Amino acid sequence: KQEVTQIPAALSVPEGENLVLNCSFTDSAIYNLQWFRQDPGKGLTSLLLIQSSQREQTSGRLNASLDKSSGRSTLYIAASQPGDSATYLCAVSTNSGYALNFGKGTSLLVTP
Amino acid sequence: SAVISQKPSRDICQRGTSLTIQCQVDSQVTMMFWYRQQPGQSLTLIATANQGSEATYESGFVIDKFPISRPNLTFSTLTVSNMSPEDSSIYLCSVEGTFRGLNTEAFFGQGTRLTVV
Repeated sequence: KQEVTQIPAALSVPEGENLVLNCSFTDSAIYNLQWFRQDPGKGLTSLLLIQSSQREQTSGRLNASLDKSSGRSTLYIAASQPGDSATYLCAVSTNSGYALNFGKGTSLLVTP
Repeated sequence: SAVISQKPSRDICQRGTSLTIQCQVDSQVTMMFWYRQQPGQSLTLIATANQGSEATYESGFVIDKFPISRPNLTFSTLTVSNMSPEDSSIYLCSVEGTFRGLNTEAFFGQGTRLTVV
């Protein structure tokens, strides 16, 4: 069974800092990996999708990398802002059309 | 991309009652997924709902407690039956988009925040 782990569980940084969120998974035979953002009590917003054949994806201040062989992904957030405060979830799919396996998330607080 | 409308957004229910959550997608999709997110926890898959067949439930979830309907390719419902306070969670539906015939990223509804008192 695929296990997804996210480190750290919580992170507090001052505004403007660059930061890295980590995600690891036990089964490297993934179809894709997706990073989500979740605001308190809300649904999930997709941030970045990395297909298994890709090594990274970028969107604005966000960059996600994937090292499938080592079972790791990182989400890099540049020049953090208070509006980035949320929980960030990493999820992997082991096949097309299959449900996602989620990590427990990293709760990020960016202070002004 | 896919736009998912989920209703209700939140509800407070009495124990022993049932609540039906609706999920409407703006495009036809083969599979829809229902997840539960208990307080402070990550998402756990309840079941996969295919149009025209019985839903497939994950370990720990049963049809009598979480009956699912999938009448067409754009709509599904999840019912939380005979509720207890332990059912207080956020319930989310999800679909996968497709691009050139391949499944791509997953999209989620805004969730239903259920509190059972």
